[in-house]
Amino acid sequence: DGGITQSPKYLFRKEGQNVTLSCEQNLNHDAMYWYRQDPGQGLRLIYYSQIVNDFQKGDIAEGYSVSREKKESFPLTVTSAQKNPTAFYLCASSIGGMNGYTFGSGTRLTVV
Amino acid sequence: GQNIDQPTEMTATEGAIVQINCTYQTSGFNGLFWYQQHAGEAPTFLSYNVLDGLEEKGRFSSFLSRSKGYSYLLLKELQMKDSASYLCAAISGNTGKLIFGQGTTLQVKP
Repeated sequence: DGGITQSPKYLFRKEGQNVTLSCEQNLNHDAMYWYRQDPGQGLRLIYYSQIVNDFQKGDIAEGYSVSREKKESFPLTVTSAQKNPTAFYLCASSIGGMNGYTFGSGTRLTVV
Repeated sequence: GQNIDQPTEMTATEGAIVQINCTYQTSGFNGLFWYQQHAGEAPTFLSYNVLDGLEEKGRFSSFLSRSKGYSYLLLKELQMKDSASYLCAAISGNTGKLIFGQGTTLQVKP
């Protein structure tokens, strides 16, 4: 079955360390997105990519970096420059245009 | 600017009907989505409206008025499992980006 996989589900890191969250999809979707969700809040866009080897900053890109070397993969790195990294991170993909998203199951990152 | 507003919390009784409202302001509006999200899980698709009017799908219906920048999600015959957050999201421009509201947490009581 096609889907979008995020790993790990839970991640703990020490303050000051970079950490990379994985997102893989086998839906043959061109567009992929990273969102951050804080308790009681909606989803805020971090980065998105509409095609391989290209990506754009979203509303809260500072302290994050991404790559899109393969269509199937869109990893997100949370750097030490991100001042408040503890959050629930959601990856999504879409065939683009006016279609909705398919979401991964999310990664809950806790920085201690 | 771009903005989507929806109530933060709502409470309703099992078996009743509840309407969750959403107002939006986006550049280049191209449709509106409703998603359901249970705590700690990914959002799941409920509905999509691009034309004015009501779309009905089982116990859930969604309405859109483009001229008013307004949508609502109607849930009928509420069940305890409907307790969740409901996210309103509008497509911005031609990029396919979804702009999300803060979500409405619905609590269904017996």
